[in-house]
Amino acid sequence: DTEVTQTPKHLVMGMTNKKSLKCEQHMGHRAMYWYKQKAKKPPELMFVYSYEKLSINESVPSRFSPECPNSSLLNLHLHALQPEDSALYLCASSHLRGGGGNEQFFGPGTRLTVL
Amino acid sequence: GQSLEQPSEVTAVEGAIVQINCTYQTSGFYGLSWYQQHDGGAPTFLSYNALDGLEETGRFSSFLSRSDSYGYLLLQELQMKDSASYFCAVGDTGRRALTFGSGTRLQVQP
Repeated sequence: DTEVTQTPKHLVMGMTNKKSLKCEQHMGHRAMYWYKQKAKKPPELMFVYSYEKLSINESVPSRFSPECPNSSLLNLHLHALQPEDSALYLCASSHLRGGGGNEQFFGPGTRLTVL
Repeated sequence: GQSLEQPSEVTAVEGAIVQINCTYQTSGFYGLSWYQQHDGGAPTFLSYNALDGLEETGRFSSFLSRSDSYGYLLLQELQMKDSASYFCAVGDTGRRALTFGSGTRLQVQP
């Protein structure tokens, strides 16, 4: 199984809502990532988990809260978002051999719209 | 920090060869990767160079010169399905994370 799955595919939420994005992989990868991608821009790293521990937070606002319940699952909890947070949210996973150059496997993403 | 530069757009015709260049600045360099992303899709891994030289995978090849902080992706026998955005990305030993370039949009014309 070389697939990263993400749910939901699309999400529309108001600025006062609380929602969660979910990501799952069964490749035995011990690194998992959240990226945000705006149209016609590159993926922008938000968080990295290594061995289920948060290793990188790219100064992301606290209205985004990541969680890694186990080595296969990654969640992103959303609360009090702003319209400018509307984007494609991508989850990825990789092995942790060596440095940061390992192949990352991306999920299909969640297209988020904040009204 | 890391920064990468690549052309924003490239246009070529079916059957042609196209080269997408990438220059980078980074500390703790750990390899140059290339990803393809079709509109509405997720990035998919194409190739990775940790050492100088050429890596070939089918119609795609990737080259790295660490002394020049430069690499390129070479696409041969272009097909319409190759129309996509292509991102170079550098790994970083310190951060264990990738930093992506701004992307090159390739349009393949008949």
